[in-house]
Amino acid sequence: GAGVSQSPSNKVTEKGKDVELRCDPISGHTALYWYRQSLGQGLEFLIYFQGNSAPDKSGLPSDRFSAERTGGSVSTLTIQRTQQEDSAVYLCASSVPGQGGRNTIYFGEGSWLTVV
Amino acid sequence: SQQGEEDPQALSIQEGENATMNCSYKTSINNLQWYRQNSGRGLVHLILIRSNEREKHSGRLRVTLDTSKKSSSLLITASRAADTASYFCATGGLAGNTPLVFGKGTRLSVIA
Repeated sequence: GAGVSQSPSNKVTEKGKDVELRCDPISGHTALYWYRQSLGQGLEFLIYFQGNSAPDKSGLPSDRFSAERTGGSVSTLTIQRTQQEDSAVYLCASSVPGQGGRNTIYFGEGSWLTVV
Repeated sequence: SQQGEEDPQALSIQEGENATMNCSYKTSINNLQWYRQNSGRGLVHLILIRSNEREKHSGRLRVTLDTSKKSSSLLITASRAADTASYFCATGGLAGNTPLVFGKGTRLSVIA
């Protein structure tokens, strides 16, 4: 597609349920990032995929969070046993082939997650 | 951990005035980028300045970088109400495969 596509746009879930957030990056972009942004806060890095290299998972806040990227394209961020503090906007971004952090990255519109 | 720290956290100006936002960071960088965010949605890239550059312009935007002070500034000249948004700096590390690290942002309000 023309831009980074994320779904769902909004998700309300009950505490304790699992959620899956999807990201479809720009075609040809081999680098893919997930960030989290709590209300009024900055972006918190979660995970970074670059081509076939092992992902950088250093930002995942707990083992309830996991992400995968199938076929080098679409990525899914899974949050298990959601907690109220998981409520945030989850932003996905992608960039052209090359070294992470050295290129402009393009963001999706984010997935608003509310845990009640 | 947060690398960039923007200053001020919030800025309110009249339309037509210039807006200056600052960003400080801690470690050596390959580049520094500024992004804009409207209403808590996706960020849009504004400008990238590399570590060997000192100043860059794009339209009404002027970015400076002082690597000795580990700081950058974003100047928006002749501001408009439509410039109202949050502005974030992000740093790219020296190591090859490192993600951008974002600061907490400056919330700019331009009053018509």
